[in-house]
Amino acid sequence: EIVLTQSPGTLSLSPGERATLSCRASQSVSSSYLAWYQQKPGQGPRLLIYGASSRATGIPDRFSGGGSGTDFTLTISRLEPEDFAVYYCQQYNSAPGITFGPGTKVDIK
Amino acid sequence: QVQLHQWGAGLLKPSETLSLTCAVYGGSFSGYYWSWIRQPPGKGLEWIGEINHSGSNNYNPSLKSRVTISVDTSKNQFSLKLSSVTAADTAVYYCARARYGNHYYYGMDVWGQGTTVTVSS
Repeated sequence: EIVLTQSPGTLSLSPGERATLSCRASQSVSSSYLAWYQQKPGQGPRLLIYGASSRATGIPDRFSGGGSGTDFTLTISRLEPEDFAVYYCQQYNSAPGITFGPGTKVDIK
Repeated sequence: QVQLHQWGAGLLKPSETLSLTCAVYGGSFSGYYWSWIRQPPGKGLEWIGEINHSGSNNYNPSLKSRVTISVDTSKNQFSLKLSSVTAADTAVYYCARARYGNHYYYGMDVWGQGTTVTVSS
């Protein structure tokens, strides 16, 4: 099973600042199978990025994804007040399927 | 616009079977995988399993012995059953739509509203 580790656990930043979130896999993951989600309190997750770097429909261009192999990154170029949330990376592998990282919380400094 | 609406029993006793259903409105049922994900209180997301319109499914190995996901294409619905529940199965359960391409994964782009399931004696 591929285990995803996210760092940092919590990121404290101010609006307007740049956020860089890391997702590391225990073994190589195809970029085609890596996604990122945002979750706000009391809400379900929202798809941000798929294929490691493609933005989902309606996602602002301040969100960008990158990386390959075992190291992937989600960057928020300038934090807006609505971006303070928990972010999860997710990977798909034919066996045993889908796993999520433990999440990074981005909160207001 | 595709919407998922889910429902099911919210309070169970240990050893009972959890049963949830998710209906798909406003879009095609075929061409996607329909997933169940859960989130224990204050914790992260755990994938439970998925099924497509023809009934082909995949399960999380850690839950496989207790999980059944089925599909009713006549109603555009899919269902989750989780047997022998314990307090550890207490969570918010979500249904979601996932799409796969040729060696490509497009992610889970539509989610249900979530159902809180509590297991307590």
